[in-house]
Amino acid sequence: LAKTTQPISMDSYEGQEVNITCSHNNIATNDYITWYQQFPSQGPRFIIQGYKTKVTNEVASLFIPADRKSSTLSLPRVSLSDTAVYYCLVESDRDDKIIFGKGTRLHILP
Amino acid sequence: DSGVTQTPKHLITATGQRVTLRCSPRSGDLSVYWYQQSLDQGLQFLIQYYNGEERAKGNILERFSAQQFPDLHSELNLSSLELGDSALYFCASSAQDRSSGNTIYFGEGSWLTVV
Repeated sequence: LAKTTQPISMDSYEGQEVNITCSHNNIATNDYITWYQQFPSQGPRFIIQGYKTKVTNEVASLFIPADRKSSTLSLPRVSLSDTAVYYCLVESDRDDKIIFGKGTRLHILP
Repeated sequence: DSGVTQTPKHLITATGQRVTLRCSPRSGDLSVYWYQQSLDQGLQFLIQYYNGEERAKGNILERFSAQQFPDLHSELNLSSLELGDSALYFCASSAQDRSSGNTIYFGEGSWLTVV
């Protein structure tokens, strides 16, 4: 399993763009990078998944450099409702387990 | 709505008792995962089943067991309950068995309180 490292917490303000970076130095060739969002007392929710370069959906963008040893989740123009824990996962076809780290607690201020 | 259904939503029981948590995966999903999340703690992976067979095991206590039935629903059995077992238990499902490129969908969880 590729270990991931992400900041424990971040604060930002409404209307700002938020970038959360995740390090995964020992990512393997066939591994995917996936981000989930979790609100208190709710199950995590899939945000975005990527393998390389850039992926964008209606919620976020995911930037992955050529070496794939890190990735950055970008949330455009955040609102108070984006306050949540964000998990970066590296998913491998060598392992059935899907392991969540401690995630990044994002707190959006008015 | 993720399509993953968990019951019961809330459960209060006494120490030493046994409970069963139930999960119905999304239609068509063959994999079921169980996670435990204690207050202000991360998600602890417990166990995964794929099409009725155990595929991966995490930090699941011997007092806990799970199974996946032919109709693909799953049950997590927790016995000899202790106060420390109080947590939110999540079930998740996915279409595939391997994790790479997979998306897993979580239910809303079952709150277990042991008193």
